[in-house]
Amino acid sequence: EVQLVQSGVEVKKPGESLKISCKGSGYRFNSNWIAWVRQMPGKGLEWMAMIYPYDSDTRYSPSFQGQVTTSADKSITTAYLQWSSLKASDTAMYYCARRTCYDCAFDIWGQGTMVTVSS
Amino acid sequence: DIVMTQSPLSLPVTPGEPASISCRSSQSLLHRDGHNYLDWYLQKPGQSPQLLIYLGSTRASGVPDRFSGSGSGTDFTLKITRVEAEDVGVYYCMQPLQTPNTFGQGTKLEIK
Repeated sequence: EVQLVQSGVEVKKPGESLKISCKGSGYRFNSNWIAWVRQMPGKGLEWMAMIYPYDSDTRYSPSFQGQVTTSADKSITTAYLQWSSLKASDTAMYYCARRTCYDCAFDIWGQGTMVTVSS
Repeated sequence: DIVMTQSPLSLPVTPGEPASISCRSSQSLLHRDGHNYLDWYLQKPGQSPQLLIYLGSTRASGVPDRFSGSGSGTDFTLKITRVEAEDVGVYYCMQPLQTPNTFGQGTKLEIK
């Protein structure tokens, strides 16, 4: 079964760092893009970034460039999204999603990782 | 960035009746390869989004044929021929043509 399994709920304080994960299985992880999508509480979907695990080619939305970093470890078929210094405004659900080509649709989604940042 | 605009934002529908959602883009999504790069997703309550339609009109695997997508260029429509209770949720259009990919605001479909 093709699936993306994300890491669990996170509760952090402002200024802390965080790295969440998305593990792919059941398909050729290296040759499919993984994207990250944010959904703030009660709001819509926002495309943040994506990575091609084969060569770690990355693309970022200007809105998120410099705020987050995406990476991938091919050996364990896992993609990551990380923050160096969280803000309260980073509180959101974060989804990873697979696309089989650069401009394909997202055909598989992870279950989401809820991140809460509060003092 | 390409701006995606959906309407309506709220859509109350009686079961068995049809429903239609419009999505407009600020730039043409028609690629020189002849495909329209426009996808539709449904996010059911408490769930991750799921793909319904890609390339403007192709149903994803397992999607019932009561869902259809149409349109070209900058104007697109998602139609449900007969709404069922399981269709409730928020529908999003998205353009994958250019980065950053952008979503519409979402249309909340509810059962009357």
